[in-house]
Amino acid sequence: NAGVMQNPRHLVRRRGQEARLRCSPVKGHSHVYWYRQLPEEGLKFMVYLQKENIIDESGMPKERFSAEFPKEGPSILRIQQVVRGDSAAYFCASSPRRDGNQPQHFGDGTRLSIL
Amino acid sequence: SQKIEQNSEALNIQEGKTATLTCNYTNYSPAYLQWYRQDPGRGPVFLLLIRENEKEKRKERLKVTFDTTLKQSLFHITASQPADSATYLCAPTLQGGANNLFFGTGTRLTVIP
Repeated sequence: NAGVMQNPRHLVRRRGQEARLRCSPVKGHSHVYWYRQLPEEGLKFMVYLQKENIIDESGMPKERFSAEFPKEGPSILRIQQVVRGDSAAYFCASSPRRDGNQPQHFGDGTRLSIL
Repeated sequence: SQKIEQNSEALNIQEGKTATLTCNYTNYSPAYLQWYRQDPGRGPVFLLLIRENEKEKRKERLKVTFDTTLKQSLFHITASQPADSATYLCAPTLQGGANNLFFGTGTRLTVIP
């Protein structure tokens, strides 16, 4: 069984460009979570999605960031007009249900570097 | 607001000894507590989950305790090995309605041969 797949693993963008990060959850998982990890900092929650719906985006910056999880295809985290401060590792996780006793399965992240 | 603290950013121990990592939380009452391991350049990997009504949980060389009175969880690795070197993250979670995990900053464990 394939785990959570994220691509690309590394992404380099210039300031002002757009970054699109993709996440394919574990087969059968309908709950997807995005986290950001800044250098030397902990993992911070950004957004939680269930198929076609954003359930909680309380951790996502109000501007330039958006996320989707369409009926078909991977979840996408989109960052418009990137700035240097967006450089970080972005992790996606999935779970079969929304419950505190459900472990989350993480991908190996996309490392975004802004030139 | 919720606060999660893990003991010292880095912990060095000798191979064969028991490593003990601490996770303290404040301002909420989790029903579960999860522990994850993260290696450099990789995503977190789930290790163990303990429920609030469980005092202790074991899995091979790992042992987790959960004290809801002290608001603390201890994570033990017995007979530690260099391969156990990694960053360990705790995530106290709520029952139901849990939208996401709040992680501690992690403890970087180095097991010295």
